[in-house]
Amino acid sequence: RKEVEQDPGPFNVPEGATVAFNCTYSNSASQSFFWYRQDCRKEPKLLMSVYSSGNEDGRFTAQLNRASQYISLLIRDSKLSDSATYLCATLYNQAGTALIFGKGTTLSVSS
Amino acid sequence: DAGVTQSPTHLIKTRGQQVTLRCSPKSGHDTVSWYQQALGQGPQFIFQYYEEEERQRGNFPDRFSGHQFPNYSSELNVNALLLGDSALYLCASSHFKRQGRHQPQHFGDGTRLSIL
Repeated sequence: RKEVEQDPGPFNVPEGATVAFNCTYSNSASQSFFWYRQDCRKEPKLLMSVYSSGNEDGRFTAQLNRASQYISLLIRDSKLSDSATYLCATLYNQAGTALIFGKGTTLSVSS
Repeated sequence: DAGVTQSPTHLIKTRGQQVTLRCSPKSGHDTVSWYQQALGQGPQFIFQYYEEEERQRGNFPDRFSGHQFPNYSSELNVNALLLGDSALYLCASSHFKRQGRHQPQHFGDGTRLSIL
């Protein structure tokens, strides 16, 4: 059964800190991975897609380790506005675009 | 460019009732997926529609059914509502013929369903 598991939260960090989340997946055939950000009572919004070894976008870096079947999200120089829940996802199966999500990790950045 | 729109925003029902939720996909998208998100959980995949047919289905009972219309909009129907059906119901759209690495899903704001 496909499963996606994430680090338990919450993560409480000060502004400027570097924080990393891990996400493990059970289906070794998974090819595509996504990090979504979800603010309280809002819809998930795509933060980053990960298809090969990794991806970087400004302060955010995602890395994929196929051998150990995990992906990570690194946030550098945390801002107050980074406070949210971060959801890891992979494709439900390779035939479509539906997603299977982890439970999410909550990040709280304080001043 | 209109994003994914869902209606209604909030809904309160009682056990045993039936409910219909609606979704219009992002402009240019032809595939609609529905998810259920309980409090403190990640979204759970219900089913996906393309060309007016259910193409994929998650682990949800037959009480959950759907429909896609020729204009790509979609409905989610839930019969015989249970207390456990209380959740945020999210609709997401994508373009089926461009599946693969560059086709992430775009989500609507969701419908918050409360069962009393």
